[in-house]
Amino acid sequence: DAGVIQSPRHEVTEMGQEVTLRCKPISGHDYLFWYRQTMMRGLELLIYFNNNVPIDDSGMPEDRFSAKMPNASFSTLKIQPSEPRDSAVYFCASSLSLAGVHQETQYFGPGTRLLVL
Amino acid sequence: AQSVTQPDIHITVSEGASLELRCNYSYGATPYLFWYVQSPGQGLQLLLKYFSGDTLVQGIKGFEAEFKRSQSSFNLRKPSVHWSDAAEYFCAVGGRAAGNKLTFGGGTRVLVKP
Repeated sequence: DAGVIQSPRHEVTEMGQEVTLRCKPISGHDYLFWYRQTMMRGLELLIYFNNNVPIDDSGMPEDRFSAKMPNASFSTLKIQPSEPRDSAVYFCASSLSLAGVHQETQYFGPGTRLLVL
Repeated sequence: AQSVTQPDIHITVSEGASLELRCNYSYGATPYLFWYVQSPGQGLQLLLKYFSGDTLVQGIKGFEAEFKRSQSSFNLRKPSVHWSDAAEYFCAVGGRAAGNKLTFGGGTRVLVKP
């Protein structure tokens, strides 16, 4: 398997612009997670999906952030409008739930490094 | 609420020396524990995990970790460090009570001296 795929790998944009980050989870995985990593706050969970349904979005910073998962093989994280404080590395991860073991291993993508000027 | 503390922000170790990274967690039920490694500019790679059973867990790249319930700890060890082990290491806790959410520690950056 190719692993979790994220695009773009790098994004530089200007404040106020819309940014869309994309993720393709590992085939067959039923959980998908979006994280943000910054020096100040470390690794934060933003939102996660199970079977394409958002389960917990309590980590989404504000209304400027939105995430969708239209099908099992694709998810987007959108920031509109973007601000300089959104500059971070955004990771997508996926996992497979197993009967009797609700938490299985999360596999991470390479991340998208976002810089908002 | 669950939490993870990695007390050491940076550790410097000589190549060939042993390494131990500390991890303390807080979780109200039986925890699932993980160690991930992140090389510069890369995503997180799983080193090892503990769900149940033997409290000494073997992982990839020669790493092992020991779960100590009485101390709420899950320390990572390697007997002989290689220069390629220079990276940032993250401990994480999750479990059934947390749904499928993981909580990560702040990370420990390991520098390896020649």
